[in-house]
Amino acid sequence: LAKTTQPISMDSYEGQEVNITCSHNNIATNDYITWYQQFPSQGPRFIIQGYKTKVTNEVASLFIPADRKSSTLSLPRVSLSDTAVYYCLVGPLGGYNKLIFGAGTRLAVHP
Amino acid sequence: DAGVIQSPRHEVTEMGQEVTLRCKPISGHDYLFWYRQTMMRGLELLIYFNNNVPIDDSGMPEDRFSAKMPNASFSTLKIQPSEPRDSAVYFCASQLAGTSYEQYFGPGTRLTVT
Repeated sequence: LAKTTQPISMDSYEGQEVNITCSHNNIATNDYITWYQQFPSQGPRFIIQGYKTKVTNEVASLFIPADRKSSTLSLPRVSLSDTAVYYCLVGPLGGYNKLIFGAGTRLAVHP
Repeated sequence: DAGVIQSPRHEVTEMGQEVTLRCKPISGHDYLFWYRQTMMRGLELLIYFNNNVPIDDSGMPEDRFSAKMPNASFSTLKIQPSEPRDSAVYFCASQLAGTSYEQYFGPGTRLTVT
């Protein structure tokens, strides 16, 4: 199983861009990288998923370098409502029992 | 669609009692997952179903835990007998088959066993 390492916490201010980096040095060839967001007292919410290079959707961008040993979730112009825990998961498609939600990164956005 | 529906939202019970948690997945989704979240252990996958068939229950902690999915629109997670260490938030999630890990989580059931 690919182990992931993320910062425990981050602080930012409204309007700033936030980049959360996840390290996954032993990622396998068939592993995908997925990010989830969890607000207090709610279930996690899927943000974005990618395999290589860059993926962008209406919420975030995911940057994956060529060696795929890390990935960066980029949140443009955060607001107070982006305060949440962000999880980086690595695993093969269909390998649901291999996905591990670690401690995640607690992002606090300040006014 | 209303999303994944879980009931009850909160459950307080005494040790030794039977607890049944319920989940209605999003219509049309092929996969259903049960997770447990605690401060100590984080979010853990307990069991998942594909087309109503249990695929992997290796995350179920003990024989006291059981899960069923009698049809595509309903699943239960039962704990019998319950113990204080079962206190946690239990999430149900569902997703479409395909090339993604895009799971849709329900609001969770907060279980407290005294």
